Amino acid sequence: EPEVTQTPSHQVTQMGQEVILRCVPISNHLYFYWYRQILGQKVEFLVSFYNNEISEKSEIFDDQFSVERPDGSNFTLKIRSTKLEDSAMYFCASTSGGELFFGEGSRLTVL
Amino acid sequence: AQKITQTQPGMFVQEKEAVTLDCTYDTSDPSYGLFWYKQPSSGEMIFLIYQGSYDQQNATEGRYSLNFQKARKSANLVISASQLGDSAMYFCAMREVYNTDKLIFGTGTRLQVFP
Repeated sequence: EPEVTQTPSHQVTQMGQEVILRCVPISNHLYFYWYRQILGQKVEFLVSFYNNEISEKSEIFDDQFSVERPDGSNFTLKIRSTKLEDSAMYFCASTSGGELFFGEGSRLTVL
Repeated sequence: AQKITQTQPGMFVQEKEAVTLDCTYDTSDPSYGLFWYKQPSSGEMIFLIYQGSYDQQNATEGRYSLNFQKARKSANLVISASQLGDSAMYFCAMREVYNTDKLIFGTGTRLQVFP
């Protein structure tokens, strides 16, 4: 069964460092998303991506964040200069229009 | 603006019993979809069931059913014959069709199934 894959599963970084989280969405899906979940809290929308551009972003997705689809398969989330409050689980998701299929998440710990 | 409310932070149910997890929503979009996801302690998000706003019948998927009451703007998840493996966090979510393509989640309900 096709699935969304994310790497790394866990990353520890120092405050101020750049982090890139990678995702391979399901191959025939057209819509891509990043969500984050701070430990024990709700799943928050960050950004949606369609037709090679951002279609919507939340207020959380400020200038420190960027997304890219550098080739036909990968979908990346970059955090330019990490802050302590960026520590969270980051989920990538994709869909062809129905339910969203989520990856297993990348846990980011900022020290 | 779309909004999802889950008023039960935690629920307990005995194995083999049925349990209802509440979800209410608010939207001005006439066309929307309602989803339930399960998040076990391992952290992944597992899709359970979907209900479209124009669907005439309540959605069912195995032991999961969605009690959709459009006039009351509620989309409660019913789990029948609970199993120990059902212990997890459950999130209700909504996606509007015209205004946005994002899925918005409620705060979740933690379900504990005991023997």
